[in-house]
Amino acid sequence: AVQLVESGGGLVQPKESLKISCAASGFTFSNAAMYWVRQAPGKGLEWVARIRTKPNNYATYYADSVKGRFTISRDDSKSMVYLQMDNLKTEDTAMYYCTAAVFALMDAWGQGASVTVSS
Amino acid sequence: DIQMTQSPSVLSASVGDRVTLNCKASQNINKYLNWYQQKLGEAPKLLIYNTNNLQTGIPSRFSGSGSGTDFTLTISSLQPEDFATYFCFQHNSWPLTFGSGTKLEIK
Repeated sequence: AVQLVESGGGLVQPKESLKISCAASGFTFSNAAMYWVRQAPGKGLEWVARIRTKPNNYATYYADSVKGRFTISRDDSKSMVYLQMDNLKTEDTAMYYCTAAVFALMDAWGQGASVTVSS
Repeated sequence: DIQMTQSPSVLSASVGDRVTLNCKASQNINKYLNWYQQKLGEAPKLLIYNTNNLQTGIPSRFSGSGSGTDFTLTISSLQPEDFATYFCFQHNSWPLTFGSGTKLEIK
């Protein structure tokens, strides 16, 4: 079965950094574009970042709200995708979901990693 | 950026009802519209992709339609497990954007 498992969330102070990870299994990871989507407490969903596959040069895309601060990366040998978050702001507080385009766009989701930015 | 407007924001209905949820894009998104269901404390789940394609494992009481800027999600006969929040999502243009959701409540 397709499975995505996030890890690495936690409590950090403003301007600090945090890296969250997502372990994928049950599908051909190297063939799938990967995404991060976040949801602030009690709010809606916001797409954060996307990374394409090797044939597409691992091209990356970011929401304006995180561009220049967040970096998405992947390791196909480990079936892992990462989100490096730098210069965090209180408004980055959210549940961060890892999602995959296995058969359709964002058809598989992890359970989420909670990130809290507070002093 | 393409704005996605969902209506109504809250819908009260009863088990067995037929309900329609609406999603309007601020510009043409062709067929590139997905619908997700989210229950409290859970991750979103894909129901419909590219306007009218039912995701594997999703009951046939769910259906999607529309094109261009106006889209609908229809549940033909509400079941107790369908009470949740539903989000539409466009993937025609960057940045990808979600609607603000329709919360489906028990009447």
